[in-house]
Amino acid sequence: GDSVTQMEGPVTLSEEAFLTINCTYTATGYPSLFWYVQYPGEGLQLLLKATKADDKGSNKGFEATYRKETTSFHLEKGSVQVSDSAVYFCALSGGGSGGSNYKLTFGKGTLLTVNP
Amino acid sequence: DTGVSQDPRHKITKRGQNVTFRCDPISEHNRLYWYRQTLGQGPEFLTYFQNEAQLEKSRLLSDRFSAERPKGSFSTLEIQRTEQGDSAMYLCASNPQSRTGELFFGEGSRLTVL
Repeated sequence: GDSVTQMEGPVTLSEEAFLTINCTYTATGYPSLFWYVQYPGEGLQLLLKATKADDKGSNKGFEATYRKETTSFHLEKGSVQVSDSAVYFCALSGGGSGGSNYKLTFGKGTLLTVNP
Repeated sequence: DTGVSQDPRHKITKRGQNVTFRCDPISEHNRLYWYRQTLGQGPEFLTYFQNEAQLEKSRLLSDRFSAERPKGSFSTLEIQRTEQGDSAMYLCASNPQSRTGELFFGEGSRLTVL
């Protein structure tokens, strides 16, 4: 079945540091890929997405590129802020043949803490 | 803009009791989902509604779990004869059919079974 593996946390960075959170996936077919973020005390919210190979999703300074050859969708940000402290989840949908494109499969999440 | 709301936010119950959670999706969203999240894990899919029809149930959803969405609006998730292993955060999400994969989540209902 479909699965998502993401970098174990927690990750602790200083403000303005470069961030990478690795995410790889296993799926048949052509899944769509997502990063969701959960800020403290809030529900999960979509951060960015990519629906086909070589697409780059971007939002709030974060970027991720859909790499089919390496089955990866790594999240990057050039300069993190304290307000980026949150749990980040990589997810996919629609990976299986004839599979449901409405159902998301999530990774375990990576806790990011950014210190001033 | 009203988001997805869930009630109650936290429920503590004794093993063997029944509990019910309610989810009010964003009003124009015809799709509604329930997920379960345990500590250190990502959300796991439980079930999915399109309007009032329940179109998929995960194998995770045992016979003790039932979900409804009467009239295609709010939804309820009932757990009968709760067990300690049911302790988790139950997440509701919704989206319009045009935004596949882009889910709007509520803040969750945390269940603690003693």
